[in-house]
Amino acid sequence: KNQVEQSPQSLIILEGKNCTLQCNYTVSPFSNLRWYKQDTGRGPVSLTIMTFSENTKSNGRYTATLDADTKQSSLHITASQLSDSASYICVVDSYNTDKLIFGTGTRLQVFP
Amino acid sequence: KAGVTQTPRYLIKTRGQQVTLSCSPISGHRSVSWYQQTPGQGLQFLFEYFSETQRNKGNFPGRFSGRQFSNSRSEMNVSTLELGDSALYLCASSSRLAGADTQYFGPGTRLTVL
Repeated sequence: KNQVEQSPQSLIILEGKNCTLQCNYTVSPFSNLRWYKQDTGRGPVSLTIMTFSENTKSNGRYTATLDADTKQSSLHITASQLSDSASYICVVDSYNTDKLIFGTGTRLQVFP
Repeated sequence: KAGVTQTPRYLIKTRGQQVTLSCSPISGHRSVSWYQQTPGQGLQFLFEYFSETQRNKGNFPGRFSGRQFSNSRSEMNVSTLELGDSALYLCASSSRLAGADTQYFGPGTRLTVL
């Protein structure tokens, strides 16, 4: 069964600190992997999209990495801000079914 | 450029009733996808429409249906509502098929079934 699992489920950090969120997937083959940020009460917003051949992609203070061999991706947030408090969702596009498979997300809280 | 809009934003229904949700995509976008989001399950794919044709469907019962109009606006219908249908329903639009393009999500419709 194709799955996307994220860890940790929730995370609390202090403003200014860095953090790394993990995404492990079993979807194979896949065409791209995405990270979304979802603020409470709002729809998800795309942060990065990486094809299977890309290893890293950045969007400001957000850097996503991808290891297609181990089927792992991570999202690194640098110098966190209060506005980073949100859920971060990893999504894998299944090449065979052309469906987007969503992880259950990591809830990040940044405190001053 | 206006974003994805969804109406209504909040809805309360009782078991057995039916409901229709509406989604207006970003101008020029031809793909509209629908998702159900619950705290325990995360985002679950319902279906995707592209140029008025259903291109993909998730694992939901037939009570969930949708359609897309010639102006790319889409509606989702849920018949014979059950308590478990209480969720946030999100739609997302993209210029190409969702798997090949960045999706832009609307704010969602919060459905509560009593």
